[in-house]
Amino acid sequence: GENVEQHPSTLSVQEGDSAVIKCTYSDSASNYFPWYKQELGKRPQLIIDIRSNVGEKKDQRIAVTLNKTAKHFSLHITETQPEDSAVYFCAARKSAGTYKYIFGTGTRLKVLA
Amino acid sequence: EAGVAQSPRYKIIEKRQSVAFWCNPISGHATLYWYQQILGQGPKLLIQFQNNGVVDDSQLPKDRFSAERLKGVDSTLKIQPAKLEDSAVYLCASSLRGDRVNSPLHFGNGTRLTVT
Repeated sequence: GENVEQHPSTLSVQEGDSAVIKCTYSDSASNYFPWYKQELGKRPQLIIDIRSNVGEKKDQRIAVTLNKTAKHFSLHITETQPEDSAVYFCAARKSAGTYKYIFGTGTRLKVLA
Repeated sequence: EAGVAQSPRYKIIEKRQSVAFWCNPISGHATLYWYQQILGQGPKLLIQFQNNGVVDDSQLPKDRFSAERLKGVDSTLKIQPAKLEDSAVYLCASSLRGDRVNSPLHFGNGTRLTVT
């Protein structure tokens, strides 16, 4: 069935260090992979996304890489800051049918000052 | 642009009672989604509308949950009767066109439901 696995479930890093969150999807028909950041009590907000025809995308301190063969994609945050502390969700969206988004279970990132 | 509006923000009810949530998507967004987010988990799709038609409701517990999107704009999600396990945040999201690749989800602030 459709599934997105996300690891780790929690991640603590020192301020200034890098953080990496990994997701694996099951449906090879997925072609769009967004990442959402959710601060406590707030709505999930899109921070970066990648399409299946691209291997890597970068936006300032945030980057996403995609390996279609292995069906996994990763979020990389460099020079982490305390305001990066939040829950991060990956998602995979199908390219046909209902164009449904399947979300990962989330990673709670804590950046220690 | 104005974001996705949801109300109420919080709701506490007793089990077996009924509850309704309201969502107004971003203007012009054809696709509307209702997600259930249980504490510590990722959002789970309950129902997806394209304009006023249902695209996917495969994970909607239809014996107690119902949703409608009359006129293809705002939407209501109802639970009747509620169970303890329905305690969650109910997120509404919209996208410009759900069948286009670069059409990301925009979420509302959600309704936190507590069933006692």
